[in-house]
Amino acid sequence: AQRVTQPEKLLSVFKGAPVELKCNYSYSGSPELFWYVQYSRQRLQLLLRHISRESIKGFTADLNKGETSFHLKKPFAQEEDSAMYYCALNPGTYKYIFGTGTRLKVLA
Amino acid sequence: EAQVTQNPRYLITVTGKKLTVTCSQNMNHEYMSWYRQDPGLGLRQIYYSMNVEVTDKGDVPEGYKVSRKEKRNFPLILESPSPNQTSLYFCASSLGPGQSYEQYFGPGTRLTVT
Repeated sequence: AQRVTQPEKLLSVFKGAPVELKCNYSYSGSPELFWYVQYSRQRLQLLLRHISRESIKGFTADLNKGETSFHLKKPFAQEEDSAMYYCALNPGTYKYIFGTGTRLKVLA
Repeated sequence: EAQVTQNPRYLITVTGKKLTVTCSQNMNHEYMSWYRQDPGLGLRQIYYSMNVEVTDKGDVPEGYKVSRKEKRNFPLILESPSPNQTSLYFCASSLGPGQSYEQYFGPGTRLTVT
């Protein structure tokens, strides 16, 4: 079955420390993967998508087909990065599959 | 301003009383979708629509209905709500599914069924 796994419910890091939010997926084809972020009292919004190979707000994510992972990384965390992060998969259909989310807390 | 709107934002109701949550987008998007967000379960897709009069089930469609009579509107209908439908609901729209199109989300509707 197609699935997205985010193993950490909560990740706490200190300001300036590196961040890695894990995302693993199960899908045998070529996936389309996304990271969405939800800041406090704001709507869910797209952070980045794998096809763009972009860096947004200092975050990057690389698709590793061998490990079926799409981990989100940032070298130096900022307090404003504190939010809920969701990894999402579109398996080439009209459906979307989201992970359970990871709450990132950046401590001063 | 390009946006997705939902109404109401908060709703408390009783078991069995039919309700509708409206969703509207002003971006001429073809694809629209409903999700529910529950603690520990993340976002789960309820229904989606590829275009006017074309809808299909997501992963958790039981107890919900939708319709897409106009491109901009995609209401979520609970014919006989039950307490297990207490949740935070999000509507989203995008140009299309896949192809890495961004989904634009509404502000959410917090529903409590007693």
